[in-house]
Amino acid sequence: ILNVEQSPQSLHVQEGDSTNFTCSFPSSNFYALHWYRWETAKSPEALFVMTLNGDEKKKGRISATLNTKEGYSYLYIKGSQPEDSATYLCAFEGAQKLVFGQGTRLTINP
Amino acid sequence: GAVVSQHPSWVICKSGTSVKIECRSLDFQATTMFWYRQFPKQSLMLMATSNEGSKATYEQGVEKDKFLINHASLTLSTLTVTSAHPEDSSFYICSARGQARKTQYFGPGTRLLVL
Repeated sequence: ILNVEQSPQSLHVQEGDSTNFTCSFPSSNFYALHWYRWETAKSPEALFVMTLNGDEKKKGRISATLNTKEGYSYLYIKGSQPEDSATYLCAFEGAQKLVFGQGTRLTINP
Repeated sequence: GAVVSQHPSWVICKSGTSVKIECRSLDFQATTMFWYRQFPKQSLMLMATSNEGSKATYEQGVEKDKFLINHASLTLSTLTVTSAHPEDSSFYICSARGQARKTQYFGPGTRLLVL
């Protein structure tokens, strides 16, 4: 059974502060690592699809890194804003299907 | 671009009835659609994968006769929960992927409550 772990489960950050959280996944049979942002009552929004070891992707104030050899990815948010409040999901893609972690619930305090 | 709609957003039904959930890709052709289920405080769990015009592939432990999936066109997939029981109460969410795309695009989900 594939195990994808995200930590922490929840996080409260002061507006303007930067933060990061982790996704751990199996290092074998790796195809891609996906990050999504999921706001309540909305569709999960695709942030990044990462495939190469050492890959680093950026979208505005959000960036992500990937280490496939040790099986982890970090998501960074710089200068947090209230609109960043959401659950951030990572998903490991191996055999053409996604295995999700439980998510990190981020709350930005104004 | 890449919008996926899902209807209904929530449904309450009596035990023993069947419920149909629709998933549509609005601005792209979805060669593959996926159905997930999420129980409280758990992660999204894949139930089945369907390719347009083919029978769905179900994950281990998911009853194909209970969760009927139809993917008759490149923009529509349906999930029918047959003879629903209270233990089927959950959050169901679909995703769609176009040909040669790496990303799965998700609908907003359907919350099902079976009384």
